Amino acid sequence: QQQVKQSPQSLIVQKGGISIINCAYENTAFDYFPWYQQFPGKGPALLIAIRPDVSEKKEGRFTISFNKSAKQFSLHIMDSQPGDSATYFCAAFATGNQFYFGTGTSLTVIP
Amino acid sequence: DTGVSQDPRHKITKRGQNVTFRCDPISEHNRLYWYRQTLGQGPEFLTYFQNEAQLEKSRLLSDRFSAERPKGSFSTLEIQRTEQGDSAMYLCASSLGSSGTEAFFGQGTRLTVV
Repeated sequence: QQQVKQSPQSLIVQKGGISIINCAYENTAFDYFPWYQQFPGKGPALLIAIRPDVSEKKEGRFTISFNKSAKQFSLHIMDSQPGDSATYFCAAFATGNQFYFGTGTSLTVIP
Repeated sequence: DTGVSQDPRHKITKRGQNVTFRCDPISEHNRLYWYRQTLGQGPEFLTYFQNEAQLEKSRLLSDRFSAERPKGSFSTLEIQRTEQGDSAMYLCASSLGSSGTEAFFGQGTRLTVV
């Protein structure tokens, strides 16, 4: 059973546009929600993370929106750049447990 | 470089052979995870350690897989009698504390079983 559901599977955005990736979960014990960026042949790199006590977190062009009641969270990439082209994974974590990852979104930013 | 280090980066082995991978976590990180990732999929949990104690092991993990973390520092993952289905990227991550926040991944070991 997929603990974290991620959509879309792939996304194509024009340079300067906004990229939005969505994730949903069911386990209310999750208390930490990171996003990872992965380039081909590389390990996932921590991008930004949020805890459920806040509804939004912004770091540079990257923003996480969190809806605790809906058990959903999303990554927004503002002013998307070709260098942002990568696979993005959402994840969820419960204290004392393991990370559960979504299935990934392949983002392509067209110049 | 103070990040998570994995060795080797690539491994090609014949079916039936044993392989061992090494992970050196970020210094002072007491939690260490092993994940497996196949093409087009998200990382899949294998096992994790809190210091030298192996606290959880995936139920999907075959008995051919074993992991150790002696002295709570580096960790090794061994796969015995490799099968073609074991071909994947094996990822190691480490974090500080049992809350597991800010887990950092290594570059992974790409295993190909022929």
